[in-house]
Amino acid sequence: EIVLTQSPGTLSLSPGERATLSCRASQSVSSSDLAWYQQKVGQAPRLLMYETSNRATGIPDRFSGSGSGTDFTLTISRLEPEDFAVYSCQQYGWSPPSTFGQGTKLEIK
Amino acid sequence: QMQLQQWGAGLLKPSETLSLTCAVYGGSFSAYYWSWIRQPPGKGLEWVGEINHSGRTNYNPSLNSRVTISVDTSKSQFSLNLTSVTAADTAVYYCTRGGGPYTYADSWGQGTLVTVSS
Repeated sequence: EIVLTQSPGTLSLSPGERATLSCRASQSVSSSDLAWYQQKVGQAPRLLMYETSNRATGIPDRFSGSGSGTDFTLTISRLEPEDFAVYSCQQYGWSPPSTFGQGTKLEIK
Repeated sequence: QMQLQQWGAGLLKPSETLSLTCAVYGGSFSAYYWSWIRQPPGKGLEWVGEINHSGRTNYNPSLNSRVTISVDTSKSQFSLNLTSVTAADTAVYYCTRGGGPYTYADSWGQGTLVTVSS
């Protein structure tokens, strides 16, 4: 199965700053097969991005995704207070199983 | 807007069978794939398996021998059974919606914490 490694484990930033989160795959992943989720404490994950760079319904344009092959990035251009959460990447194009990264916690500095 | 509501037993003993059900409200049940994803406490997400309206399933190979996902299209519901549970199966289990097989989850249930303890 494909292993996704996210870095950093924890990212401490202030509102208004730019956040860059990384997701690295153990083997090449099609850019059509990479998603990002946001999860707040006590809540279910919420889809942010799919097919690497497509924002899900209702996701503001300060969120963007990029990457190809084994390296993918989620960027939040200017952090809002509600953006502090855990972010997870997922690859889903291969035959089972779809796999997730272990998550990056974005915390207020 | 489509909503997913799930329920099931929250406390099990080792060797028992985990059973969860997810009901889908609003929208076309037959247009999607329906999945279960779990998250052990403090850990990352793990895909368990999926089913479509006709009963076609895909399972995580690591759970394949213990997991069954079924569907009841008359009620717009799908269910998860996981046999012979151990403490390692303790997790929050989410039901989710996907646009097809092997895809992302764009709608999630509220989650059910299942604890396995003697």
